[in-house]
Amino acid sequence: QKEVEQNSGPLSVPEGAIASLNCTYSDRGSQSFFWYRQYSGKSPELIMFIYSNGDKEDGRFTAQLNKASQYVSLLIRDSQPSDSATYLCAVTARGAQKLVFGQGTRLTINP
Amino acid sequence: KAGVTQTPRYLIKTRGQQVTLSCSPISGHRSVSWYQQTPGQGLQFLFEYFSETQRNKGNFPGRFSGRQFSNSRSEMNVSTLELGDSALYLCASSFGSAVPGRYTDTQYFGPGTRLTVL
Repeated sequence: QKEVEQNSGPLSVPEGAIASLNCTYSDRGSQSFFWYRQYSGKSPELIMFIYSNGDKEDGRFTAQLNKASQYVSLLIRDSQPSDSATYLCAVTARGAQKLVFGQGTRLTINP
Repeated sequence: KAGVTQTPRYLIKTRGQQVTLSCSPISGHRSVSWYQQTPGQGLQFLFEYFSETQRNKGNFPGRFSGRQFSNSRSEMNVSTLELGDSALYLCASSFGSAVPGRYTDTQYFGPGTRLTVL
């Protein structure tokens, strides 16, 4: 079992709809959870981080964490073509600076 | 505030050679982590440095090494290059802490160095 699992996609969503990206992790000791976006040929850029169970909203983005189910998700509201990218989920253990990444989900927003 | 910078951006080497990559973190950041990204394995952690000390190491052979200088700039070295070392090498910086707390600082990535081994 991989430490962090994501559906590789591609996930195709019409413009203006909600895109839902999911991630599960195996280490119950995981404490910090990050979502990065990576455009083709570019480096990952941080979208959001979440530490506590529940929802965290930032603009059109909402991260959801459920530690009991070992599940973290990212919702993108009012999806735009510019949101088309690969979304990477990353998880760390307590205090560690080592990010463990999923394989990423490729998202395509169709105009 | 300037972001993380990495040099060079592109490198072409041949098998058996060695290579040194450089990373300058965001001003004020003291932790530097290195990652390797390949299509097959995705993003994998190489090592992390804080205050010139390697604190964490990933599952890579000893050919991969690194160091950090007193100004927090970091270098990584790959010796005896193999074809499989072709990858995007990413550096990420964060504030870091001498005594890690419960939560991990946010890491900000540089543009990467694209290494091709022929």
